[in-house]
Amino acid sequence: DVQLLESGGGLAQPGGSLRLSCEASGFNLRSYVMSWVRQAPGKGLEWVSTSSGDGSATYYADAVKGRFTISRDNSKSTLSLYMSSLRPDDTAVYYCARLFSSSWGVRDHWGQGTLVTVSS
Amino acid sequence: EIVMTQSPATLYASPGESVTLSCRASQSVGHYLAWYQQKFGQAPRLLIYGTSTRATGIPARFSGSGSGTEFTLTISSLQSEDFGVYYCQQYDRAPPDTFGQGTKLEHK
Repeated sequence: DVQLLESGGGLAQPGGSLRLSCEASGFNLRSYVMSWVRQAPGKGLEWVSTSSGDGSATYYADAVKGRFTISRDNSKSTLSLYMSSLRPDDTAVYYCARLFSSSWGVRDHWGQGTLVTVSS
Repeated sequence: EIVMTQSPATLYASPGESVTLSCRASQSVGHYLAWYQQKFGQAPRLLIYGTSTRATGIPARFSGSGSGTEFTLTISSLQSEDFGVYYCQQYDRAPPDTFGQGTKLEHK
């Protein structure tokens, strides 16, 4: 079975940093485009970042560009999101998601999410 | 950025009824439209992609249609487990892709 398990969320101060991890199992991570999607409390879904299978191509939403970095270690089946210069409006549940087949948009498997709270 | 607008914001229905949820794109997205279901406290679940293709394991009572800028998700013969929030998502020339604000399907 495909499983995605996020970790690393928690409380961070404005201007601080956090690193989220997503451990993938049940499939070969190298063969899939992966992304992070976030959901602020009581709000809808917002795309954050996407990484190609080999990590050579990465994309970011304007709201996080220059502050967040997506990376992956396919040998360890792990996707990461390094978040710096955090702001209160980054507060959200962050989901790791697998992109379906060769699609760059359809997410067929999601983790349960990890909550990031940015507050002083 | 392509803006996705869903209507209604909240839909009230009873088990056994059929419902239709709408999604409009600010510009044409072709057939690059997906639907997700999210229940409280859970991750989203893929229902439909490519406007009308059901994802693996999704019951036939879920169907999608449309093209360009107008799309619908129809759930026939609602089951109790179908209540939750539904999001449409465009992925034409993704990334970026964008989601609608969601339609909450609630028990009447």
